[in-house]
This record gives sequence, C-alpha cells and structure tokens, in this order.
Amino acid sequence: SQQGEEDPQALSIQEGENATMNCSYKTSINNLQWYRQNSGRGLVHLILIRSNEREKHSGRLRVTLDTSKKSSSLLITASRAADTASYFCATDGGNQGGKLIFGQGTELSVKP
Amino acid sequence: DGGITQSPKYLFRKEGQNVTLSCEQNLNHDAMYWYRQDPGQGLRLIYYSQIVNDFQKGDIAEGYSVSREKKESFPLTVTSAQKNPTAFYLCASRRTGGPDTQYFGPGTRLTVL
Repeated sequence: SQQGEEDPQALSIQEGENATMNCSYKTSINNLQWYRQNSGRGLVHLILIRSNEREKHSGRLRVTLDTSKKSSSLLITASRAADTASYFCATDGGNQGGKLIFGQGTELSVKP
Repeated sequence: DGGITQSPKYLFRKEGQNVTLSCEQNLNHDAMYWYRQDPGQGLRLIYYSQIVNDFQKGDIAEGYSVSREKKESFPLTVTSAQKNPTAFYLCASRRTGGPDTQYFGPGTRLTVL
C-alpha cells in the first residue's frame, strides 16, 4: 500500500532557484530514501537518511527528517534545467523485508 | 558494465495474450522486485523475491506471475487475467544485508491493444 504523500505534486521554478519537496509517511521507519526519475526512465537513488539522523547533505541536495511528524523534505539548491524530473520518497515501513513504499512523487520543472 | 537490464523497452500485445517481461541483473544481488507505474503515479509493488526459488506477492499481484530460477533473472508474466495491463513496468534489485537502496532497470512500457 502507498503510504507516502508528497507535496507539491508539481513544482515549476527558474534555473538558479531552490526547490523544496516534502514527503509524509504513516508508519515507523528505519530509513527514508529519495529517488529521481527522468521521464520514461528507471529510478535513480539520490540519498538515504536513517531514522536517527535529522539532516543529510549530498552535493546540492539536502534532506531533513522529522520522525515525530513523520515527514521529510528534499531541498535542491541552485537548480539546473537538468534537474527536471520526478522525485519520489520511499520508506522501508519498518522491517518489511527490504520492500519499499513509494510516495506519489513531485514533478519538478526547472526552466532555463 | 554492472547493472540491471529490462527488455524490450516497448512491448505491444493484443488483449487476451500473456506476455513475459525480462529482467536481468549482474550485480550479484539476492533480492529483486517488480513494480508497476501508471501515468503521474508512484510505484506499486507486484512481486518480490529475496532469494532464488522463492518469491512473495506484493500489493497488486493479481493477474501477474513470476519465477526466480536463477539469481540473475526475475521474469514477470502479465497474464490475460490482468484487467488493465497497460502500464510502465520497472524491475529493481537490492543487496541483502546492506542498505535498502534499490537499483532500477530502465523499464518496459507495455501497451495492450
């Protein structure tokens, strides 16, 4: 079952601006991941944050996790046209045998 | 190159026909997964396998079947019992005992005419 909800569903910004996407989930988790999907392609893993971490950085990506609110955010700084894609959060649902539960995704469009 | 491959990229079938989608990985991963993605939607789990010769149903297994006879291969058959099979199908694999990160193939777009 889908437990992730992402907000907004679609986001359009200018190149150079920051993009923030939010994800909420329902069950306890061990970790939360963010993936990226270019149109018509497979998903690519971006970053994983564990339940005992509050913030993690990777290049221009910053992920936060608030387990008390069951929510996470993905910030992409200084966005580029090449960042145009759909972004999905995924949780492990707390020991689900490696299964991931994906959100509905945020469609990001970065205009040059 | 190490990775996960799916073939074909596009597949067309007539209604009522079974069709098998291929998924192969050379990452030496134990676990493999099949997802379905509809336009503008997230991924829904169809079947998964954590070890050779074993697999479990996911959230939307009805109308689908799988086999896991080899570690590298996890083919998915879309049967005529699947009422709305037109979708984008994604295969993924994961190294058990490590992080939950899944590695995805490029997907197969199935259109039933």
